[in-house]
Amino acid sequence: GNSVTQMQGQVTLSEEEFLFINCTYSTTGYPTLFWYVQYPGEGPQLLLKVTTANNKGSSRGFEATYDKGTTSFHLQKASVQESDSAVYYCVPRNNYAQGLTFGLGTRVSVFP
Amino acid sequence: EAAVTQSPRSKVAVTGGKVTLSCHQTNNHDYMYWYRQDTGHGLRLIHYSYVADSTEKGDIPDGYKASRPSQENFSLILELASLSQTAVYFCASSDVDNSYEQYFGPGTRLTVL
Repeated sequence: GNSVTQMQGQVTLSEEEFLFINCTYSTTGYPTLFWYVQYPGEGPQLLLKVTTANNKGSSRGFEATYDKGTTSFHLQKASVQESDSAVYYCVPRNNYAQGLTFGLGTRVSVFP
Repeated sequence: EAAVTQSPRSKVAVTGGKVTLSCHQTNNHDYMYWYRQDTGHGLRLIHYSYVADSTEKGDIPDGYKASRPSQENFSLILELASLSQTAVYFCASSDVDNSYEQYFGPGTRLTVL
């Protein structure tokens, strides 16, 4: 079966530091992975989508990549701002219109 | 302009009372979902719907009913609210044309006393 593991529960950074979040995804297929971000008091919103075929995507200064060697998806940003403080989820796409499976995500706190 | 809206945004209910949470989407999406979010549990799927007048059970449907009277509207009904149903509830919509990416509403904070 498919399983997603997002090991980092909490990441604390200062502004302009580098952000890296790792998500391992075990699957027998060719997965598409969504990166959702949830800001305080809001619903989750799609940040990026990446597939094993295209290997990377980018949006709002964030870059999502797929590492074939480790079957891992990564989310990174070169220089974070306080406004990037949020919870980030890696969420595998279903092939059908069933609900998405959200784990606990990674809570990123950026301090000035 | 927000494509998925929820009402009310916040509600306090009494134990045993009936609560209805409403969701409206203007995305023209076929699929709609209700999730709840609790501290330490992430988001969990309660009910979803593929088409108007039809609903499906998600992972945690007990104590909840859903209603999809039209493509745009999807309601979550708590017939007998309980303390354990205190949570934030999110509605979402998606469609096959956008790879089932889900678009979420702003959430409803429900407190059952």
